[in-house]
Amino acid sequence: GESVGLHLPTLSVQEGDNSIINCAYSNSASDYFIWYKQESGKGPQFIIDIRSNMDKRQGQRVTVLLNKTVKHLSLQIAATQPGDSAVYFCAEDPGGSEKLVFGKGTKLTVNP
Amino acid sequence: DGGITQSPKYLFRKEGQNVTLSCEQNLNHDAMYWYRQDPGQGLRLIYYSQIVNDFQKGDIAEGYSVSREKKESFPLTVTSAQKNPTAFYLCASSISRGGSYEQYFGPGTRLTVT
Repeated sequence: GESVGLHLPTLSVQEGDNSIINCAYSNSASDYFIWYKQESGKGPQFIIDIRSNMDKRQGQRVTVLLNKTVKHLSLQIAATQPGDSAVYFCAEDPGGSEKLVFGKGTKLTVNP
Repeated sequence: DGGITQSPKYLFRKEGQNVTLSCEQNLNHDAMYWYRQDPGQGLRLIYYSQIVNDFQKGDIAEGYSVSREKKESFPLTVTSAQKNPTAFYLCASSISRGGSYEQYFGPGTRLTVT
């Protein structure tokens, strides 16, 4: 079965607002997590990753938070722009095998 | 798309025919992967290869075959045994760096079988 899932399949925000996309995972052995962005008809694009020995990691306008206690991962996008509209996937690597397990994705729509 | 090319972008085949999807990378990555994506779904792993001349089945390998004769190439054959071949196929490659790795994806091939 699939061990990575999403709390919401769709998220709609206003331009300029902050977005939070959530992901739950069930495999406590997972030690590496990645967020991907996929625009329509294209391959997923790496956004940010985090290892299990960290709680937070920041990139440009994005922050990933990892709560290992409740097996929860979130992606925060600051000042969301129309170009951020896409499907966002979380992925986990159970046990460092370099075989990622992907969630179903959350479709983010940014309204101008 | 990070130096990974997939061709063609769109592919149409008749039921019962085998079809081979191309994937080439110039990133010097050791590992390569094939995923299948269905509408509204996440990615499911078909096959992966961590080194030349070696590959392993993923979660949904039935009806598919691969080869890894060269580091830069990992073609996927969708055989007539695959019951629902119409899907978006994504190739990826990765390299480990200091305990983490990034998996880069190609642009995908949309296969339609009628």
